[in-house]
Amino acid sequence: DAKTTQPNSMESNEEEPVHLPCNHSTISGTDYIHWYRQLPSQGPEYVIHGLTSNVNNRMASLAIAEDRKSSTLILHRATLRDAAVYYCIRLGGAQKLVFGQGTRLTINP
Amino acid sequence: DGGITQSPKYLFRKEGQNVTLSCEQNLNHDAMYWYRQDPGQGLRLIYYSQIVNDFQKGDIAEGYSVSREKKESFPLTVTSAQKNPTAFYLCASSTWDGPSYNEQFFGPGTRLTVL
Repeated sequence: DAKTTQPNSMESNEEEPVHLPCNHSTISGTDYIHWYRQLPSQGPEYVIHGLTSNVNNRMASLAIAEDRKSSTLILHRATLRDAAVYYCIRLGGAQKLVFGQGTRLTINP
Repeated sequence: DGGITQSPKYLFRKEGQNVTLSCEQNLNHDAMYWYRQDPGQGLRLIYYSQIVNDFQKGDIAEGYSVSREKKESFPLTVTSAQKNPTAFYLCASSTWDGPSYNEQFFGPGTRLTVL
């Protein structure tokens, strides 16, 4: 089972940090954690991915728990353009992304 | 500009007709993918191709067919055997380095409505 568990929705305010949680309790040692986001009526956009260590890029940070059973996507300073559905995905071989329902993030001005 | 194009953006067809969705990429990617998205749901993989002249079924391949005659192109045919074809269809591509992960780049999607 390649599923991850995320809250259905979250809400935050503009210019504040946002922490999006993801549970992946059955993850194997070689599975990567990936995050994509999707704006309405558009294709998903890659955000970040990691394996064991915390990762940073220009869009976000990814904090992975020491036991790898959970992770958190961090948007350091949310803008209105960050409002989207965020998908947390496990990937182990064959590069087959398996999308769940994701978390719908609302940003209040 | 490099990227993925899908056409048309909106497509209508009558029940019982086959329809082909176009997907073209100029990113020189080896791998290409087709996903289906229903309202309020995540994406589901239909077919994927790692290399020209080869492709594999995804999780929901029934009622769909694909071809990969050129590296740049991966058309998807929705056949009359697909019982509920109305959906948002997304094409993606990536490099392919075996089991290691590579970012997938998505096209803008085609919204298919069966009348």
